[in-house]
Formats: sequence, C-alpha cells, structure tokens
Amino acid sequence: GAVVSQHPSRVICKSGTSVKIECRSLDFQATTMFWYRQFPKKSLMLMATSNEGSKATYEQGVEKDKFLINHASLTLSTLTVTSAHPEDSSFYICSASLGYEQYFGPGTRLTVT
Amino acid sequence: GQQVMQIPQYQHVQEGEDFTTYCNSSTTLSNIQWYKQRPGGHPVFLIQLVKSGEVKKQKRLTFQFGEAKKNSSLHITATQTTDVGTYFCAGPGGTSYGKLTFGQGTILTVHP
Repeated sequence: GAVVSQHPSRVICKSGTSVKIECRSLDFQATTMFWYRQFPKKSLMLMATSNEGSKATYEQGVEKDKFLINHASLTLSTLTVTSAHPEDSSFYICSASLGYEQYFGPGTRLTVT
Repeated sequence: GQQVMQIPQYQHVQEGEDFTTYCNSSTTLSNIQWYKQRPGGHPVFLIQLVKSGEVKKQKRLTFQFGEAKKNSSLHITATQTTDVGTYFCAGPGGTSYGKLTFGQGTILTVHP
C-alpha cells in the first residue's frame, strides 16, 4: 500500500523559534497533500491544502504567515511553524491522496516550551 | 460550510458486545469515508461508500450509507480488544480533490 512519512516524529522547541515538518509520499506522487492539526482526543482539523508548484490554500482562521507551506516536488510538502508559541503545541498530520483514499503520515508531535 | 456530526463521542463496551457509531451531515454527500485511528497512531482508511442505501461488510464491520446520503453508520459485531481506537467518518470537504471534512470521531474502549 501507499506510504506517507513525516519527519520529525517529535520535536521540542523554544518559544519564538521556527520548526519545519516534512511530509513525503514514498512510493507515489502526490500533486495535493493536506495538513491537519489534532488535539488530544479530538478530531482532525484541516489547516491547509498543499498544491505542488503553486500556493497552498488555507482554511478559514489559519494564519498563512505563521504556518508556511511549501510543496516543491510531487513527493514532498513541508510545513513550517514560524515564531512558535506554546499554543502551537499539537499533533500535526499530513495526508496525500491516491485514488479516493487518503494516506496519512504518522504525525509530528510539536511541543513549544 | 458542510458539517459532519458524529455520535457518540465515547463508547465503552465489554469484549464481545456490539458497537455502533453514527454520522450525520447537514448536506447530501457524494460519498462518505471511514477511518480508524489507533491510540498514538494515525488515521487509516477503512472504506468508502458512494451509493444511496449502500451496505458494505468487512469481517465484523458493517458500514451503511443512508438512502438520502446524509447519514452513515459503522457497526462492529462482537468487539475485540484490537478494535480499540477512534473511528472517524469523513465527507468531501470542498472542491479540492481529496479534501475531507471529518466528524468528531468516536473513541471506542473495549474492556476485556
């Protein structure tokens, strides 16, 4: 089956610094990837749609200047959390489509201290 | 925008009991998908339903799509401890292909 990887799996950073999270489709190409945020025991909240070769599309209420998305190739999308604050601490998950199925990465646990 | 409501939020069952989670949409859905997320894991695709009144089975799991294509259910017969996790339904979330709107999820706990 299709595999999506994420790196890092966990990261702890200090308030005010930036963190980059990578999402890769390992065995298929993905023109579109999606970034979600998930709080403990809560649902997945779509943050943005990452489009290869063009600007990402952000959901209402998501600050595009804070959550920078770059989709430079058909197998890689990156999410950079800029000037991170403790309230940005969360579980970030990416996904990519293959047919009608969404394949999710294992997620990145971000803790901002 | 489209909302997908899912109930119950939590369900505790004894091993061997049945379990059902329900999903309702405010609008007609072209399709609905179901995902399972194990504790500490990521969502894994289970199934997609497309046709009005469709019923699909996967071993002990039965998925239904309502006649009006606004509701869906997942029923697990004779739960096992391996069924533990959060079950999400998801409907199309917009014009982007693959974009999904997730329900709140039902957290299933199975007591041995």
